[in-house]
Amino acid sequence: AQTVTQSQPEMSVQEAETVTLSCTYDTSENNYYLFWYKQPPSRQMILVIRQEAYKQQNATENRFSVNFQKAAKSFSLKISDSQLGDTAMYFCAFGYNTDKLIFGTGTRLQVFP
Amino acid sequence: SQTIHQWPATLVQPVGSPLSLECTVEGTSNPNLYWYRQAAGRGLQLLFYSVGIGQISSEVPQNLSASRPQDRQFILSSKKLLLSDSGFYLCAWSVLIEQFFGPGTRLTVL
Repeated sequence: AQTVTQSQPEMSVQEAETVTLSCTYDTSENNYYLFWYKQPPSRQMILVIRQEAYKQQNATENRFSVNFQKAAKSFSLKISDSQLGDTAMYFCAFGYNTDKLIFGTGTRLQVFP
Repeated sequence: SQTIHQWPATLVQPVGSPLSLECTVEGTSNPNLYWYRQAAGRGLQLLFYSVGIGQISSEVPQNLSASRPQDRQFILSSKKLLLSDSGFYLCAWSVLIEQFFGPGTRLTVL
């Protein structure tokens, strides 16, 4: 069975600095997808970034980028130039050819001014 | 573009009362639909998902039920609410793998 682990319950970063959130997963599948979702205080879940496992190039979306290490089954999220609006809960998720996503337990990120 | 609606946004109900939460999706056809529950400061618990009209899969046995009477409508129900049903309920849809979430319903059972 697939599992997703986020080992950092809470993280904090100074505004304008860079922070990396960790995610590891376990699967025997070869073709799959990985996602990072953001849940701000409003609690609306927002898709931040996605990575297809068959792509070697790490995905980037503006200040958000991932470090995808397929062999190590690691999928970390780097937030550059952190902003106060990045304060949120971040969830890592795994999906393949089933109908469900497997979510991690989340990392609470606090950005300080 | 696709949009997903949930209502009500907040709900306060007494123990033992019935529940009906509604979720509708616009701008897509035959989506997969999902109901999640989230306790305060916690992760997501998948409650139900549906791959088509009338097709419901339950992930955890509990006091809740789900129905999908139309292609883009997903309803979460209970005949008698328990205190433990309090939480934040999220509806989501997908066509491929990634899921898109609604704004959620905050349910408080007193």
